[in-house]
Amino acid sequence: GAGVSQTPSNKVTEKGKYVELRCDPISGHTALYWYRQSLGQGPEFLIYFQGTGAADDSGLPNDRFFAVRPEGSVSTLKIQRTERGDSAVYLCASSLKGNSGANVLTFGAGSRLTVL
Amino acid sequence: QKEVEQDPGPLSVPEGAIVSLNCTYSNSAFQYFMWYRQYSRKGPELLMYTYSSGNKEDGRFTAQVDKSSKYISLFIRDSQPSDSATYLCAMIGQAGTALIFGKGTTLSVSS
Repeated sequence: GAGVSQTPSNKVTEKGKYVELRCDPISGHTALYWYRQSLGQGPEFLIYFQGTGAADDSGLPNDRFFAVRPEGSVSTLKIQRTERGDSAVYLCASSLKGNSGANVLTFGAGSRLTVL
Repeated sequence: QKEVEQDPGPLSVPEGAIVSLNCTYSNSAFQYFMWYRQYSRKGPELLMYTYSSGNKEDGRFTAQVDKSSKYISLFIRDSQPSDSATYLCAMIGQAGTALIFGKGTTLSVSS
């Protein structure tokens, strides 16, 4: 597609529920990133995919968070047993290549998650 | 101390003013420096991209990097109401895999 597409744009759930957030990157971009942006904060890195594999998942806060990219294109961020502290905007970004400081990331509009 | 520090503002200026936005950082391995603009309820969009020290100009925007002081700046000349947004600095090292962002500075330009 023309840009990075994220769905849903808004998700309200109850504490303890399971949530999936989807990212459709720019066609041909091999690198895909998930970031989390809390209110009044800058984006914080969660995980980076190069192709189908997670090349760096050091930003995932705990084992309730998991992400997949089975065919090297669309990615899904999965959050189990959601907590109120998980409320944030989850941003997805893609770039033509990964693993280089010269990358230019293109971000989607984000999925706003609210955990009640 | 966070790796990247940025004053969140808010910063309010009249239309036509020159705006200066700044970030400091602690990691000397950072070599690529970016400024992203984020409108409300939108994703960040790349505004300026600089490698290593020096200046870069693009229209009304000028990015400066001083690696010796670990200090980067974004200047906006002749600011417009459409420049009202949050400005995020971001940086990464040569071998880094993830951009590190500042907290963002909220700018409001009044007409």
